[in-house]
Amino acid sequence: EAQVTQNPRYLITVTGKKLTVTCSQNMNHEYMSWYRQDPGLGLRQIYYSMNVEVTDKGDVPEGYKVSRKEKRNFPLILESPSPNQTSLYFCASSLMRGNSFEQYFGPGTRLTVT
Amino acid sequence: EDQVTQSPEALRLQEGESSSLNCSYTVSGLRGLFWYRQDPGKGPEFLFTLYSAGEEKEKERLKATLTKKESFLHITAPKPEDSATYLCAGFSGGSNYKLTFGKGTLLTVNP
Repeated sequence: EAQVTQNPRYLITVTGKKLTVTCSQNMNHEYMSWYRQDPGLGLRQIYYSMNVEVTDKGDVPEGYKVSRKEKRNFPLILESPSPNQTSLYFCASSLMRGNSFEQYFGPGTRLTVT
Repeated sequence: EDQVTQSPEALRLQEGESSSLNCSYTVSGLRGLFWYRQDPGKGPEFLFTLYSAGEEKEKERLKATLTKKESFLHITAPKPEDSATYLCAGFSGGSNYKLTFGKGTLLTVNP
């Protein structure tokens, strides 16, 4: 089954404790991306990756890191989480074929930083 | 800076009452305009991509259209199962491959 998986689905942590949210897709997609979704602010892109070893900032990259060492995986790293990073996070992937761009989203990770 | 604005923020319809959702955009070198559906607690689900002004796409009771400044999602004879948040996003061009989302329209269809 074609899918994007994220782990963990729920996470409660404390300020400053490094964490990683994993994202994996089984569709051989080139493009992968991370978003955060907050009430009243909508979905905002954090980072995206066009392919292995190619990443770029979205609109809200501060406080986050990403890496793309393999095509299928795109982890999101919070080196020193803060309460303002409490949010619902989504990973997504897409084929890049001309302008064809159909994004598949993961189920989301709800992060609470206390 | 790219911007996508959706209206209305919320829309309540009776079953069978057709209407339209609006998405106005200012996106540099637009590559594509996307519509998604999002149910509570779930990730967005892809509906349509529109690439050029004048393009239309349909899926069941939904039809999406695109002009140079805005896109519309027309819902014909909606059913309660169409209730969801509908999101619009612009995919920028040039050397950027960023997506900018609108804040969504929460659609409620009453039986």
